Amino acid sequence: KAGVTQTPRYLIKTRGQQVTLSCSPISGHRSVSWYQQTPGQGLQFLFEYFSETQRNKGNFPGRFSGRQFSNSRSEMNVSTLELGDSALYLCASSSLLTGNTEAFFGQGTRLTVV
Amino acid sequence: AQSVTQLDSHVSVSEGTPVLLRCNYSSSYSPSLFWYVQHPNKGLQLLLKYTSAATLVKGINGFEAEFKKSETSFHLTKPSAHMSDAAEYFCVVSGNAGGTSYGKLTFGQGTILTVHP
Repeated sequence: KAGVTQTPRYLIKTRGQQVTLSCSPISGHRSVSWYQQTPGQGLQFLFEYFSETQRNKGNFPGRFSGRQFSNSRSEMNVSTLELGDSALYLCASSSLLTGNTEAFFGQGTRLTVV
Repeated sequence: AQSVTQLDSHVSVSEGTPVLLRCNYSSSYSPSLFWYVQHPNKGLQLLLKYTSAATLVKGINGFEAEFKKSETSFHLTKPSAHMSDAAEYFCVVSGNAGGTSYGKLTFGQGTILTVHP
């Protein structure tokens, strides 16, 4: 069974640009969630999509957005990049059958904003 | 709302000695709790999860965690540390105010475990 695939693995962008990150969940999983990991703030929840609908959203500015396609693949977009957006962005997929169904994480996309 | 607090940012042990990583949680509902591990430049891997079927939970690689409702704790232990256990460990609680919140995970700040030979 293939795992969660995130592309690209590494990105370098300039301040003010926008970026799109992609996540392919495990086959059959309908929930995809995104997290930002930084040394200072740790792992923070960005948003979660389930069957193409955003169900939960973290405390991030509107520059951070996402979407989910009918095949459950998800993308997140960050517009008008700031230096502070440099982070490891992790995607997780889950079948979410119950509250303690585990989430499977991808390797992450390392975004560097210069 | 739920939250988790990992009481130690760094823990250092010698190989072959016990490991204890501490986690306290706060939740308005019966919590769904997990421990994940992250090795350098790797994604997160599930170590174990609390399912309410048993308060002592066994995970992979010899790790265990005990759920103590009275102390709101979910500490992670291992009887004997191995060099390969060196990593960062996260205590995690999932949203549990109904099914629509399950997809939101709240992470502790992480505990870096160092294992000395």
